[in-house]
Amino acid sequence: ETGVTQSPTHLIKTRGQQVTLRCSSQSGHNTVSWYQQALGQGPQFIFQYYREEENGRGNFPPRFSGLQFPNYSSELNVNALELDDSALYLCASSLGGGQPYGYTFGSGTRLTVV
Amino acid sequence: GESVGLHLPTLSVQEGDNSIINCAYSNSASDYFIWYKQESGKGPQFIIDIRSNMDKRQGQRVTVLLNKTVKHLSLQIAATQPGDSAVYFCAENNAGNQFYFGTGTSLTVIP
Repeated sequence: ETGVTQSPTHLIKTRGQQVTLRCSSQSGHNTVSWYQQALGQGPQFIFQYYREEENGRGNFPPRFSGLQFPNYSSELNVNALELDDSALYLCASSLGGGQPYGYTFGSGTRLTVV
Repeated sequence: GESVGLHLPTLSVQEGDNSIINCAYSNSASDYFIWYKQESGKGPQFIIDIRSNMDKRQGQRVTVLLNKTVKHLSLQIAATQPGDSAVYFCAENNAGNQFYFGTGTSLTVIP
């Protein structure tokens, strides 16, 4: 059984640029949730994808968008990067939309915006 | 909005002692709680969970206590080991599709 994998592990972008982060869900899991974790803070929910549709969204602007593919992997896209977008981006997979049982997190992508 | 907070940002314990990490939550409708451990450079790792119809749940060396009256959650780690050094988060869920995380408590185990 494979766990949740995220890529890349680190990247540096310039303010105003766009970035795509990727997540492969744990085998058997069909739901992917994305979280942003600023330094010294707990993770904050961005959105969840279930059956290739957005299934709930936190308090993040529309320039944060996502996709889920038929194999349940997912992408997080952030447009017009701002300095405050610098954070660890975490992907968690689970089974079934709604209340997330069996949440499994990946190790995250560390994004630095300069 | 949700508010999940931790009473102490840092905690230092001697190896072999028991650790207690506390967490307060504000949403009385929350019915599912998880404790996570996060080591440096890694994602949160599931430790133990508890539903609101329970007051206590035990795992291997860990116990979670839930007091719904005062909206308080605690994690007890028995015989703390150096490998337990990490940041610990409590997270709450109220039947929705997201978890609300606290700020975290940094646990340092002194050999």
